[in-house]
Amino acid sequence: GAGVSQSPRYKVAKRGQDVALRCDPISGHVSLFWYQQALGQGPEFLTYFQNEAQLDKSGLPSDRFFAERPEGSVSTLKIQRTQQEDSAVYLCASSTGETQYFGPGTRLLVL
Amino acid sequence: AQSVTQLGSHVSVSEGALVLLRCNYSSSVPPYLFWYVQYPNQGLQLLLKYTTGATLVKGINGFEAEFKKSETSFHLTKPSAHMSDAAEYFCAVTWGGGNKLTFGTGTQLKVEL
Repeated sequence: GAGVSQSPRYKVAKRGQDVALRCDPISGHVSLFWYQQALGQGPEFLTYFQNEAQLDKSGLPSDRFFAERPEGSVSTLKIQRTQQEDSAVYLCASSTGETQYFGPGTRLLVL
Repeated sequence: AQSVTQLGSHVSVSEGALVLLRCNYSSSVPPYLFWYVQYPNQGLQLLLKYTTGATLVKGINGFEAEFKKSETSFHLTKPSAHMSDAAEYFCAVTWGGGNKLTFGTGTQLKVEL
């Protein structure tokens, strides 16, 4: 079966621009996570959904970051008014239990 | 706060030599433990995990890890390194199914001829 997919794979944005990153989880996976991975660092938790409910958004760095999963499947991470410090790889993962399966990530570069 | 420490941001071994990547966690409650591998420009691939039961777990590509509660460690080993093992390795922990993962900073493994 298909794994977690993310689009776009690469995104270049001008500072101040809004971006939207998409995640398609593994079919049937209830839980969905977003992580941010800065260059040379481990991934850091951003937010977590169980079905369509956003149960934890404690890792979102500012109110410019917003995530949704309206139908409990596809999720979108939106970043408004991008800043250079938002440049990172954004990873999505889905799970049915304790194991999370990761997508290839979206590499965001803010100029 | 609970944290994960990976000693050595870069490890270099010769092909055929033992691979040892270290991971320690700080928590009074034993977590679920994972090792992931990341190849360039790719996402994270699960190597192995410990949740309950046998403390020595075997994963893909000949890797294994042992959970030692007394040492709060979960070191990753492979008896004989292969060139294809060159990648970045992340140790991660969570305290229960469905919870967020806390990652170490990663160890870049280099395999030399």
